[in-house]
Amino acid sequence: AQSVTQPDIHITVSEGASLELRCNYSYGATPYLFWYVQSPGQGLQLLLKYFSGDTLVQGIKGFEAEFKRSQSSFNLRKPSVHWSDAAEYFCAVGTFTGGGNKLTFGTGTQLKVEL
Amino acid sequence: ETGVTQSPTHLIKTRGQQVTLRCSSQSGHNTVSWYQQALGQGPQFIFQYYREEENGRGNFPPRFSGLQFPNYSSELNVNALELDDSALYLCASSPGLAGGYEQFFGPGTRLTVL
Repeated sequence: AQSVTQPDIHITVSEGASLELRCNYSYGATPYLFWYVQSPGQGLQLLLKYFSGDTLVQGIKGFEAEFKRSQSSFNLRKPSVHWSDAAEYFCAVGTFTGGGNKLTFGTGTQLKVEL
Repeated sequence: ETGVTQSPTHLIKTRGQQVTLRCSSQSGHNTVSWYQQALGQGPQFIFQYYREEENGRGNFPPRFSGLQFPNYSSELNVNALELDDSALYLCASSPGLAGGYEQFFGPGTRLTVL
């Protein structure tokens, strides 16, 4: 069965500093990978997705992620964090089988931005 | 274009009661998925509906059931509520089942079971 691990529960960075959120997945086939962001009281917003092709994907709000098959990782990065980036970030693997077109999420990383 | 909407926003029930949560999918989307997000956890897949048929189910008991209507809106019903059912329930819609389709999430319904 597929699974997603986000090893960092909480991360604090200073505004303007760079950011990397870690994500490791387990899935037997080629994965569909996603990063979502959730602000308090909000639903999930898609930041970026990887299906195939270039392993470095660009997303919204200046985020990017790199797929590394050898490490089963899909880490999210941003070169300069803004205070408005404070939120919870979820990595997910998408599986599209007879069991439905579903997303399996990690437990999330809570990002705090210090001014 | 209206996004995914959910109602109600918040709900308080007591153990043993039944609850119905509602979701309106984004225009043009025929697939709706429901997720349960417990406090401090990532969302967990409950089930999915495609063109009014259940298309897949996660590891949830039968007291979690659903419907999808001809306009592709959907309901999640939970019977015999338990304390552990307290969570944020998220609905997501997509334009189909293909692997490349993004799921668009609503703001969720916060259910508290006392």
